[in-house]
Amino acid sequence: DVKVTQSSRYLVKRTGEKVFLECVQDMDHENMFWYRQDPGLGLRLIYFSYDVKMKEKGDIPEGYSVSREKKERFSLILESASTNQTSMYLCASSLDGGYEKLLFGSGTQLSVL
Amino acid sequence: AQTVTQSQPEMSVQEAETVTLSCTYDTSESDYYLFWYKQPPSRQMILVIRQEAYKQQNATENRFSVNFQKAAKSFSLKISDSQLGDAAMYFCAYRRSRGATNKLIFGTGTLLAVQP
Repeated sequence: DVKVTQSSRYLVKRTGEKVFLECVQDMDHENMFWYRQDPGLGLRLIYFSYDVKMKEKGDIPEGYSVSREKKERFSLILESASTNQTSMYLCASSLDGGYEKLLFGSGTQLSVL
Repeated sequence: AQTVTQSQPEMSVQEAETVTLSCTYDTSESDYYLFWYKQPPSRQMILVIRQEAYKQQNATENRFSVNFQKAAKSFSLKISDSQLGDAAMYFCAYRRSRGATNKLIFGTGTLLAVQP
């Protein structure tokens, strides 16, 4: 059963901490994405990657960075967590091609205190 | 820039009835893809249906169908014979058909409640 796996379902961190959110897919997909989901705002794209070591900024990259050293793994990094980064984070992957559907992980609910 | 608008934050439908969720979008592209995703309480996003803009025929998947009006930039989702398991957040999404980016642009979502 193919899947996108996010390492944590719930995470609680302190302001100023460095936070790593990990995402792994087992489908050999080229494209991987990080979205954050907030009530009333829908899903907003933070960063995406279309190849190993390649990354592009999405709509809200400020305060975040990403790493893709291997094709199957895409990490989201909060260099210094702030309370306004409390949110649901969703990872997704897809094959190349616009018609291909995104496959999502189950999300990580991050609380920054 | 492309945008996707869902004007109904919440909707409610009786079991076995039909409901339509609205979605409009803005783009200058002529070729693109449109999607409806469902997010149940489990948080797992599930693709419900997708439409290619160059196809005039509306997509259908079992009880789910779309009304795609390209000139009006409208892409509504109709759920027939609603079931309790249809209760979820529904997101409309847009993607360009070409270019280096394959990112999806999402609307703000419509929370659908199904009343028994």
